[in-house]
Amino acid sequence: DAKTTQPTSMDCAEGRAANLPCNHSTISGNEYVYWYRQIHSQGPQYIIHGLKNNETNEMASLIITEDRKSSTLILPHATLRDTAVYYCIVRVPHTGGFKTIFGAGTRLFVKA
Amino acid sequence: DAGVTQSPTHLIKTRGQQVTLRCSPISGHKSVSWYQQVLGQGPQFIFQYYEKEERGRGNFPDRFSARQFPNYSSELNVNALLLGDSALYLCASSFLDRTEAPWQERNNEKLFFGSGTQLSVL
Repeated sequence: DAKTTQPTSMDCAEGRAANLPCNHSTISGNEYVYWYRQIHSQGPQYIIHGLKNNETNEMASLIITEDRKSSTLILPHATLRDTAVYYCIVRVPHTGGFKTIFGAGTRLFVKA
Repeated sequence: DAGVTQSPTHLIKTRGQQVTLRCSPISGHKSVSWYQQVLGQGPQFIFQYYEKEERGRGNFPDRFSARQFPNYSSELNVNALLLGDSALYLCASSFLDRTEAPWQERNNEKLFFGSGTQLSVL
């Protein structure tokens, strides 16, 4: 089972910041938080990941709370092409290591 | 650089048949994972292979099997197809380095996905 919970869907106006929350209250001290997104009919695309500190790349920013029990993915200036399902993931341990388990994700609609 | 490639892109089979799906990872990536995505749901983990060994398996029946070749490409086989096997099958590759400390290897892994194979079972 996925170790994260996310809202089912969110709306955002084009050009505004999209803030996607994620809860991961059972995260362990050395586990990373990953974000992927999936645009219709394509494979998921890696966005960003982080451990404790806030992270930023060309796609997004990741804000992780100090207790690490939740995080927020920020798309600073959402465009129509950012409409997608966004998955927040904490990897799950298994006998061979860790595996990436997807939940249902958040469906983000960016509107003109 | 080429990304993860999967073939075929679309496939139609009938119940009871067998199917083989293929995946070529990004050059330099030694790990391949397979996922099944049913319409409206997130991808479900099937297998992960690293250096030709199975490293993890999801909750799928024995009809599902996979292997990884010396060039790190991989095949997913599904026997005795059922209507419920109709789905998008996704392959992902990643760069795992076993020379890293175990917790780093296990926790610091980005997956790169192919576009998938859409399997329809009639």
